[in-house]
Amino acid sequence: IVMTQSPATLSVSPGERATLSCRASETISNNLAWYQQKPGQAPRLLIYDASTRATDIPARISGNGSGTEFTLAISSLQSGDFAIYYCQQYNNWPQTFGQGTKLEIK
Amino acid sequence: QVLLVESGGGVVKPGGSLRLSCLISGFTLNEQYLAWVRQAPGKGLEWVSYISGGGTYSNYAASVKGRFTIYRDNGKRSLYLQMNNLREDDTAVYYCARDLSTAAAPRYFDYWGQGTLVTVSS
Repeated sequence: IVMTQSPATLSVSPGERATLSCRASETISNNLAWYQQKPGQAPRLLIYDASTRATDIPARISGNGSGTEFTLAISSLQSGDFAIYYCQQYNNWPQTFGQGTKLEIK
Repeated sequence: QVLLVESGGGVVKPGGSLRLSCLISGFTLNEQYLAWVRQAPGKGLEWVSYISGGGTYSNYAASVKGRFTIYRDNGKRSLYLQMNNLREDDTAVYYCARDLSTAAAPRYFDYWGQGTLVTVSS
């Protein structure tokens, strides 16, 4: 299953809201996770089952979607939110990742 | 506290071999799948391999099948990746991760190590 993320780069001002998109090449129900990765660090799980926040993830980070279209929304952007975000499907083996969206400061 | 700590990365020539290790603490190991995920410099994430809790089941990405072997020693709380016949396109940071998959269905990765860099270059 091919995962396609858009846009490749998203420029947003601190305090604003960012919306990232992820599309699957075939239906994956709600079997989707989102990860955040900062430079030099490992990925961190944010969202699983398309909309369930992982432990210690704040409510201003939310996931939505099912089937083939998914979004990750981050409101009230803070400095620590500027990073690369990856979606990952786990409907079928092998689990596959999108190519990432870089969220940068505008 | 869940911790995964990789080691064993380094520089190796094409055709060479390397063994990565991952020391794990903080959860009951023999119930849990584990995985290796890699990231080439400046690129995205690529799943490499998984192994079941008891080591019975494993699988590999097509790009490494026949060259890499995943195994684990639950008594030593360790996961390994034996990499043979390395190629330049194997150059990447290799992460070990706790994989919440079961025999019935794939799942996601909830804890990751900090990664170890493998560089394949002549």
